[in-house]
Amino acid sequence: QLQLQESGPGLVKPSETLSLTCTVSGGSISGSSYYWGWIRQPPGKGLEWIASIYYSGSTYYNPSLKSRVTISLDTSKNQFSLNLRSVTAADTAVYYCARIRGGFEIWGQGTMVTVSS
Amino acid sequence: DIVLTQTPLSLSVTPGQPASISCRSSQSLLHSDGKTYLYWYLQKPGQSPQLLISDVSNRFSGVPDRFSGSGSGTDFTLKISRVEAEDVGLYYCMHSVQLPPTFGGGTKVEIK
Repeated sequence: QLQLQESGPGLVKPSETLSLTCTVSGGSISGSSYYWGWIRQPPGKGLEWIASIYYSGSTYYNPSLKSRVTISLDTSKNQFSLNLRSVTAADTAVYYCARIRGGFEIWGQGTMVTVSS
Repeated sequence: DIVLTQTPLSLSVTPGQPASISCRSSQSLLHSDGKTYLYWYLQKPGQSPQLLISDVSNRFSGVPDRFSGSGSGTDFTLKISRVEAEDVGLYYCMHSVQLPPTFGGGTKVEIK
């Protein structure tokens, strides 16, 4: 069965770049009509969509974050990644990756990222 | 951005009793393709959210049939016909009719 696993540093300094990777197992990230995306959840708060990428490489970003975010695919590793630049404490959250077809169908377990010096 | 407002904020339910959650949208979620892009998720304590319902009323794979979704336009409802202990958690509605997709604020369901 398809599984997604987020990885990356748990602590990032303010003004630096947060880089996360989602590794997909049990299925191919390419050659299928799925989107792949990132969602975050600040501690004790609700869910916010960050970005999505189609298997063909087309990208979509939340306008509120667009100037700081890049999403990319690495089909050779069956992974997709998120880069969030110039982070502040407001970017502290659990970051989830997900497979998307309409809704966010399959989610990773999430990874907590804290922005602090 | 489209704003989704969920009510109530919290719900305490006796096992075996029904429960209902409302999600109201600031604008219609009916797309020009004729589909309505409204989803429901459950986030159990300490877990990732899981998809329950897609396109207003379609249960996702493996979701028990005690969960049902209904509604149209701007008003939607998630119903649990008989609440079980494993149904506790935060329920979120979400739309994807346009970018960015947004989530409701959540409804916390507890067992009495």
